[in-house]
Amino acid sequence: AQSVTQLDSHVSVSEGTPVLLRCNYSSSYSPSLFWYVQHPNKGLQLLLKYTSAATLVKGINGFEAEFKKSETSFHLTKPSAHMSDAAEYFCVVSDRSGGSYIPTFGRGTSLIVHP
Amino acid sequence: NAGVTQTPKFQVLKTGQSMTLQCAQDMNHNSMYWYRQDPGMGLRLIYYSASEGTTDKGEVPNGYNVSRLNKREFSLRLESAAPSQTSVYFCASSLGVTGVNQPQHFGDGTRLSIL
Repeated sequence: AQSVTQLDSHVSVSEGTPVLLRCNYSSSYSPSLFWYVQHPNKGLQLLLKYTSAATLVKGINGFEAEFKKSETSFHLTKPSAHMSDAAEYFCVVSDRSGGSYIPTFGRGTSLIVHP
Repeated sequence: NAGVTQTPKFQVLKTGQSMTLQCAQDMNHNSMYWYRQDPGMGLRLIYYSASEGTTDKGEVPNGYNVSRLNKREFSLRLESAAPSQTSVYFCASSLGVTGVNQPQHFGDGTRLSIL
């Protein structure tokens, strides 16, 4: 069975400082991993995805994530936070357990950006 | 590009009433999903449809029914609404749940309150 743990429910940074949102996963298969962002009163938007190609994945808006199999982690980073990055972020794992790729969502990390 | 369209955007019901949430996608996707989002819980899968003509239960199916009307449309029905079903409901679609693992595209959600 697959599972995903987002290690922080809230992360607070100042504008212009680095962002780190942590995600650990568990999977019996070679998983696909995703990060989504949700702005207030909106649906989820894909930031980036890992599907067994390069371990360092670049996404939209300057975000990137590194797949580390030995640590079962897929942390999301950005060198310099912007006020518009304030949102809820979800880490998602999906593998072929049960014959279908059914995603499992983490509980989310709320990113707060201070001026 | 409409993407995934959900109607209505807001709804207030009384306990015991029934209603249907509508979802349509225009991306020719094979798979569609219904989630509910509650504070601190991330997104939990209610039902999904891997392809036209099939539906399967997700993590929290009790109290809900679904219909995959055609390839574009996937509706969620509450037969007898309960206060515990107060939530934000998201519809999503993806190219498929079998074979290549694809990201999901989300609607903007339906905010449902049950009194």
